[in-house]
Amino acid sequence: DVQLVESGGGLVKPGESLRLSCAASGFTFTNAWMSWVRQAPGKGLEWVGRFNSKTDGGTTDYAAPVKDRFTISRDASKNTLYLQMSSLKTEDTAVYYCTWEIWGSFQYWGQGTLVTVSS
Amino acid sequence: QSALTQPRSVSGSPGQSVTISCAGTSGDFDGYKYVSWYQQHPGKAPKVLIYEVSKRPSGVPDRFSGSKSGNTASLTISGLQAEDEADYYCCSSAGSYTNWVFGGGTKLTVL
Repeated sequence: DVQLVESGGGLVKPGESLRLSCAASGFTFTNAWMSWVRQAPGKGLEWVGRFNSKTDGGTTDYAAPVKDRFTISRDASKNTLYLQMSSLKTEDTAVYYCTWEIWGSFQYWGQGTLVTVSS
Repeated sequence: QSALTQPRSVSGSPGQSVTISCAGTSGDFDGYKYVSWYQQHPGKAPKVLIYEVSKRPSGVPDRFSGSKSGNTASLTISGLQAEDEADYYCCSSAGSYTNWVFGGGTKLTVL
């Protein structure tokens, strides 16, 4: 079975950094396009960014609000996806979901991890 | 990045059908197959219902169907059931298949 398990969320102050992890299992991680999607409290879904598969160049794409502040990477040996977040703002407060993109859609989701940015 | 507009809420009685629209700007959906729909119950992770405009993953009931016409994609839920009460989101891209955008979400109430 496919499993995506996020961790690393917590309370941080504006301007600080935080790294989220997503442990993947049940599929060939190196061939997968992986995305992070977030949801602010009481709000809708927002795509954050993607790490595409090694065979597709292993490149990344980011949404405008997080570009130049967030970095997505992965460790294939650990089947783990990361989201390094820096210069955090209060508006980055959200539940962050790790997802597996297939056929242009988010077919599998983790349970999410909450990031709270507050002074 | 273009925005996708959904009604904030829709409602229907058990057994009825409802349609949730997802309106893009000109050209958002023209000839583009990557439109997907998600269902989210309170406190839960979203679940994909529809991908590539009208395809259903295994396990999703055929009561859920998707379509698109011009600048609007639609999700139709037929034979409404109490457990369909949830938030629904559409998602697509402006054709470049690099950046995704979600609609604002629609709350479905089953009366």
